Order: sequence, then C-alpha cells, then structure tokens
Amino acid sequence: EAGVAQSPRYKIIEKRQSVAFWCNPISGHATLYWYQQILGQGPKLLIQFQNNGVVDDSQLPKDRFSAERLKGVDSTLKIQPAKLEDSAVYLCASSLVVGGDGEQYFGPGTRLTVT
Amino acid sequence: AQSVAQPEDQVNVAEGNPLTVKCTYSVSGNPYLFWYVQYPNRGLQFLLKYITGDNLVKGSYGFEAEFNKSQTSFHLKKPSALVSDSALYFCAVRDPNSGYALNFGKGTSLLVTP
Repeated sequence: EAGVAQSPRYKIIEKRQSVAFWCNPISGHATLYWYQQILGQGPKLLIQFQNNGVVDDSQLPKDRFSAERLKGVDSTLKIQPAKLEDSAVYLCASSLVVGGDGEQYFGPGTRLTVT
Repeated sequence: AQSVAQPEDQVNVAEGNPLTVKCTYSVSGNPYLFWYVQYPNRGLQFLLKYITGDNLVKGSYGFEAEFNKSQTSFHLKKPSALVSDSALYFCAVRDPNSGYALNFGKGTSLLVTP
C-alpha cells in the first residue's frame, strides 16, 4: 500500500512570498490532517478534513493560511504571505475514519525555510 | 483540553540495556494514547496505542508501553535497546473535542550508544 505523499520535500522562500504544499493521502482514507512542526516541538494540528469538508480549523492562522481538499482526495495548504515564524516542517497525515482508535499515517513532510 | 507531557528532552542508554521514555497525560474521560517515532528527514511512524483493555500494550520493533491510570502515565519501554532505536519519540493523545486529531508532546530524543 502506498503511503502518504507530499511535495515538495523542501522549500526556501523569502518573507512575504507565497508557497503551496501538496498532499496525496492513502487511497480510501476519508480523513486528512495538516500539522505544523516547529523545530524542537511536537506537531500541532492546523486543519482537519473529513472527505472534502472541514472538521476543525481552529488553529489555522486564517489571515495567511488556507487549505482545500477538492473532491475529497488530494489537499493543498497555502501560505500567503509567509512570515519568518512559518519556518517549520508541514506534515500531512490521513486516517481511514474520524475518531475511534484509527491510526494516523504521516507523510515525510515539507520543510519550509522562510528567510 | 487533552494533553500529554514528556518530561525528558533526551534519554541516553547503552545498547543492550533496557530503555524507558516517559509520558504523562491529562485528559477528561477515557484517554486514547499513542506513541510515534520520527527518524531524521522522515515522517512520524506509528509504534503503538492504548485504547482500552490490557494495561501493557505491545507495538512495533519490540517496543511496549504501560498504561497506568493512577499515575496518569503511559511510558514507552523496550527490554534491550538497539543503536538503530536512536530517534525522536512522541507521545500523543487523541482529542475528541478537536475532531479526534492528535495532541503531541514536545518529543524525547533517544540516543543509544554502542
């Protein structure tokens, strides 16, 4: 079974520029998560989708971050404009169902450096 | 809010010795607890979980964890450490108030020396 795919793996941009990340979850997984992992910290949830609907985006900085999951499969996360503090690894994860004891499967992440 | 704490930034152990990585939790209701491992430049990998049942949970790569309700702990253990176990370990709790997303601890770096 193919895992969660993410691209690009690395991105370097200047502050105030925009950037987009792409995620392709495991086939058949209805739930998709975007996490932000700042160096030295654990991942923090940004947004969660169930199919193509948003379940939780309470920690997403909506003035600069946006995400969508068209057709309930692939997802993109965008930052516009980027700030220095956005430098982090952005992890995408998917799970078969919402809640219960379902495991989340993580992609390799996109390492963003904002200069 | 559901949360976990990992009190140690780093754990050092000699190869062949037993290892313990500590995690305590704070939840309302029944906890769903997880351990993940992160190798350099790779995503998080699931190790094991506690949902209900036996307090001793066995997982991947010979790891196990003991759920202790009275001490609100979920420590990760392995009887005999390998150098290849060196990685970053995260404890997490599922938060039913946040779409069942995972709330992670800050991580513990495990270094196993030959």
